[in-house]
Amino acid sequence: IAGITQAPTSQILAAGRRMTLRCTQDMRHNAMYWYRQDLGLGLRLIHYSNTAGTTGKGEVPDGYSVSRANTDDFPLTLASAVPSQTSVYFCASSPELGAEAFFGQGTRLTVV
Amino acid sequence: LAKTTQPISMDSYEGQEVNITCSHNNIATNDYITWYQQFPSQGPRFIIQGYKTKVTNEVASLFIPADRKSSTLSLPRVSLSDTAVYYCLVGSRDSNYQLIWGAGTKLIIKP
Repeated sequence: IAGITQAPTSQILAAGRRMTLRCTQDMRHNAMYWYRQDLGLGLRLIHYSNTAGTTGKGEVPDGYSVSRANTDDFPLTLASAVPSQTSVYFCASSPELGAEAFFGQGTRLTVV
Repeated sequence: LAKTTQPISMDSYEGQEVNITCSHNNIATNDYITWYQQFPSQGPRFIIQGYKTKVTNEVASLFIPADRKSSTLSLPRVSLSDTAVYYCLVGSRDSNYQLIWGAGTKLIIKP
């Protein structure tokens, strides 16, 4: 049972570099989300997708982009990484927007 | 956007019932109330979701008063493995989806 798979699990990235965090779900969920979690804080929504082909901005979308070409995949791209984007990134999916969400194990990203 | 307020931390003992209250004074008509649990170095895990009155599942109960300005997560007979951070979230499930996560409540269960 896979559920939500994120890759990589961790990454050290030089500032200014482009990076794509991958997220795949095998539950055929319509909605998917990307969150970041900084040390000791709650999660903050970056982007979400209600269904394949549609995306929406969350609380902290600047510096990030997403695409939803199909139901299963929801990659998050940092076009030009900055140190403030150092965080743990969680991908999640749910059957529909706002319903019970299933989270991946996270990607720990360090921008230096 | 509804903002939630929870206690920063709570302590309890194994076998006790634990109640964590969340305040959300600006909850909107379309907003649901959702609780998640998070262990260190893991993604959050869904506990329960409700709109009004009382919801119960196999792990918890959620009590929501008529004015919906607060909610209480009740964990019956906690064990050491319930030590975690618990998040209360309020948000709609429509196309204008926004969900704000607070800092959560660090629950520590003692033997």
